[in-house]
Amino acid sequence: NAGVTQTPKFQVLKTGQSMTLQCAQDMNHNSMYWYRQDPGMGLRLIYYSASEGTTDKGEVPNGYNVSRLNKREFSLRLESAAPSQTSVYFCASSEQDATNEKLFFGSGTQLSVL
Amino acid sequence: KQEVTQIPAALSVPEGENLVLNCSFTDSAIYNLQWFRQDPGKGLTSLLLIQSSQREQTSGRLNASLDKSSGRSTLYIAASQPGDSATYLCADTGRRALTFGSGTRLQVQP
Repeated sequence: NAGVTQTPKFQVLKTGQSMTLQCAQDMNHNSMYWYRQDPGMGLRLIYYSASEGTTDKGEVPNGYNVSRLNKREFSLRLESAAPSQTSVYFCASSEQDATNEKLFFGSGTQLSVL
Repeated sequence: KQEVTQIPAALSVPEGENLVLNCSFTDSAIYNLQWFRQDPGKGLTSLLLIQSSQREQTSGRLNASLDKSSGRSTLYIAASQPGDSATYLCADTGRRALTFGSGTRLQVQP
């Protein structure tokens, strides 16, 4: 079972470069999420998509955009990367919204912005 | 804004000990609560979900309880094993998304 798959696993960018983090789930889940994890700060929600065709801002959306391409895929784009965006990024999904459902996570993307 | 605190930040115990991890919330109006495990360099794995109508959940050697009146949750691990070494995070499910604590890093010494 693949579950939630994220690519790439590692990425180094220069300030100002752009990139897209890809996420796909094969569990037929409706809701998908992007989190970032920084030392001592836990996980913070960037964006989420409650269902195909909808996206909403989370706690820290500035500097990011998302696309819910279809039910399986939810991508995160950095248009102009900044050193403050150095972090580990996790994609997650749940069958419905996460208030009543277990959340399933990908293995993460470690991003460094120089 | 909900804030989640986990104490202690790190814990080292000998194999076989029973232990308790703590989680507290600034807003006691918790909807549901999840406990997760994170291994180094990996994503999070959901361990237990306590829904609003429940006070505790059990899975094997793990027992999680939720006291909404005090805004606290505990994760009890019985007969700890070296394989339990990981970071444990709790999260208030809130509305649609989760608010996480920063975790307790557990090391079980063989």
